[in-house]
Amino acid sequence: QQQVKQSPQSLIVQKGGISIINCAYENTAFDYFPWYQQFPGKGPALLIAIRPDVSEKKEGRFTISFNKSAKQFSLHIMDSQPGDSATYFCAAGGNTPLVFGKGTRLSVIA
Amino acid sequence: ETGVTQSPTHLIKTRGQQVTLRCSSQSGHNTVSWYQQALGQGPQFIFQYYREEENGRGNFPPRFSGLQFPNYSSELNVNALELDDSALYLCASSFPSGRGVTGELFFGEGSRLTVL
Repeated sequence: QQQVKQSPQSLIVQKGGISIINCAYENTAFDYFPWYQQFPGKGPALLIAIRPDVSEKKEGRFTISFNKSAKQFSLHIMDSQPGDSATYFCAAGGNTPLVFGKGTRLSVIA
Repeated sequence: ETGVTQSPTHLIKTRGQQVTLRCSSQSGHNTVSWYQQALGQGPQFIFQYYREEENGRGNFPPRFSGLQFPNYSSELNVNALELDDSALYLCASSFPSGRGVTGELFFGEGSRLTVL
């Protein structure tokens, strides 16, 4: 049973465009929702995270939007750059170990 | 401050063999989690150690076992290797605010295991 569903599986965005990745979760006990970025040959690195007491969190070009009633959250990357090309994972947890989505491979083309 | 380090980075084993993977946690972190990442998939939780005790386990069989040492470093042992065990094994350390709570995870670069 997949507790965190992530889409799309892959995404191609023009340089300067907006990248949007979506996730949906099932367990209402989750209260911590991070996004991780992974480059080939590297481990995942925390990008940004949100708790359900706020609906949006912004750090630089990265924004998480959170919809508690719909049990959905999304990552927006503004002004996408070729250096953003990587695989992005959403995750959910808190008082339980993190459960990860299957990942989105983002390619930003010039 | 050193980050999470894992060894070995790559290894090849044959079916039925046993493997031990090692992880040194980030300075100051007392919790280590192990994840299995199959090719093209997200990390899947294997188990977590907090102050040398197993503190949660995912849906993995008992042939996956672990240890945490007093210095908070950790080992993952897999017995009777199967072809499907081929994956990247990730170790992550954290400093949770309480037992059972997952703090921010800091991942190592992983150990890539190939089972032939």
